[in-house]
Amino acid sequence: KAGVTQTPRYLIKTRGQQVTLSCSPISGHRSVSWYQQTPGQGLQFLFEYFSETQRNKGNFPGRFSGRQFSNSRSEMNVSTLELGDSALYLCASSPGGTADADTQYFGPGTRLTVL
Amino acid sequence: AQSVTQLGSHVSVSEGALVLLRCNYSSSVPPYLFWYVQYPNQGLQLLLKYTSAATLVKGINGFEAEFKKSETSFHLTKPSAHMSDAAEYFCAVTPYNTDKLIFGTGTRLQVFP
Repeated sequence: KAGVTQTPRYLIKTRGQQVTLSCSPISGHRSVSWYQQTPGQGLQFLFEYFSETQRNKGNFPGRFSGRQFSNSRSEMNVSTLELGDSALYLCASSPGGTADADTQYFGPGTRLTVL
Repeated sequence: AQSVTQLGSHVSVSEGALVLLRCNYSSSVPPYLFWYVQYPNQGLQLLLKYTSAATLVKGINGFEAEFKKSETSFHLTKPSAHMSDAAEYFCAVTPYNTDKLIFGTGTRLQVFP
């Protein structure tokens, strides 16, 4: 099976702009989670989508949003970019829908730089 | 809220030496615990996962971890380090009824020849 893919891999934006990142999960996986990784804050959970519904949300401002499509592909959007949004954004997919904790499989990430 | 603490942000070992990366969790109920590895400019790769089936969990690349409830620990070990083990290692916990991962701050492993 193909792994989790994320596009684009690298992105440079300026303050105030908005950005959309895309994630394609492993075939058959219905849950997609997003994480932000920065040197200062480490790995932080942004949100999780399952069957097109947001199931969990982390402590991020409303500028960070996401959605999931019927084919389980997911996008996250950051509006009004700030310098502090520069980070590696990681997407992870899992089968979802089970009582036990599913293993999450990560994509290579999108490196966002805000100038 | 559940959390994990990784002791030591940097660990250095010689090639062939024992690798020990420490992780302690805070939970009154045994959680689901994970170890992930991240190589430079890459995403996270699962090393192993604890789900209460067995306290000693074997993972990929010769790594293993032992769940010790009395010590609330889930330390990662490898008997003999290899140069290719140099990477950053993250311990993580998942609360019940969610797939959300809560990560530790990570430990960077350096392996010297």
